[in-house]
Amino acid sequence: DVQLVQSGAEVKKPGESLKISCKGSGYRFATSWIAWVRQTPGIGLEYMGIIYPGDSDTRYSPSFQGQVTISVDKSISTAFLQWSNLRPSDTAMYFCARDSGSSSNYFDFWGQGTLVTVSS
Amino acid sequence: QSALTQPPSASGSPGQSVTISCTGTSSDVGGDNFVSWYQHHPGKAPKLIIYEVTKRPSGVPDRFSGSKSGNTASLTVSGLQAEDEADYYCSSYAGHVIFGGGTKLTVL
Repeated sequence: DVQLVQSGAEVKKPGESLKISCKGSGYRFATSWIAWVRQTPGIGLEYMGIIYPGDSDTRYSPSFQGQVTISVDKSISTAFLQWSNLRPSDTAMYFCARDSGSSSNYFDFWGQGTLVTVSS
Repeated sequence: QSALTQPPSASGSPGQSVTISCTGTSSDVGGDNFVSWYQHHPGKAPKLIIYEVTKRPSGVPDRFSGSKSGNTASLTVSGLQAEDEADYYCSSYAGHVIFGGGTKLTVL
């Protein structure tokens, strides 16, 4: 079965760095794009960006370009989302999701989410 | 503010039908058939329930159906069951994936 398993909840202070992970299994990890999606109350879901593990081709939503870094280590079937300078406004639930591979831009499997809390 | 507009809440009694709307523009929802819907029970992974406006992935009950008219897509849940109580998000494409703000469906 396809599974995306994310790292656990994090509590950080403003200005700190953080890297969360998403490990895929049950499919050929290198050949499916992995996206990151932020969930915040009142806004809902926001697409952050996407990476192709095969060649690390990465595309960011304009809203998140320069704010986060998406990376991958295909040798361990894991995608990452990282911040170098966390802000309280980064407090949210973060999901990774697998792109279906069709041209229709939908996500067929999702991780369980990683809650990130940034507070002094 | 979300890119796509959904009502914040919807409700229905067991056995009834409920329809959730998702309004965008001619550049996204109205521009192609890239509308999908996701069901999210808090604390769990979101689940794809509709893609390409009307298609259901394997294993999704046929009580869930999707449609579109102009710039508004809709998700209908027929024969409501207690386990349908969840948050529902629509999604489309406008150069990149965009989502609605989510609708909390309550089964009375």
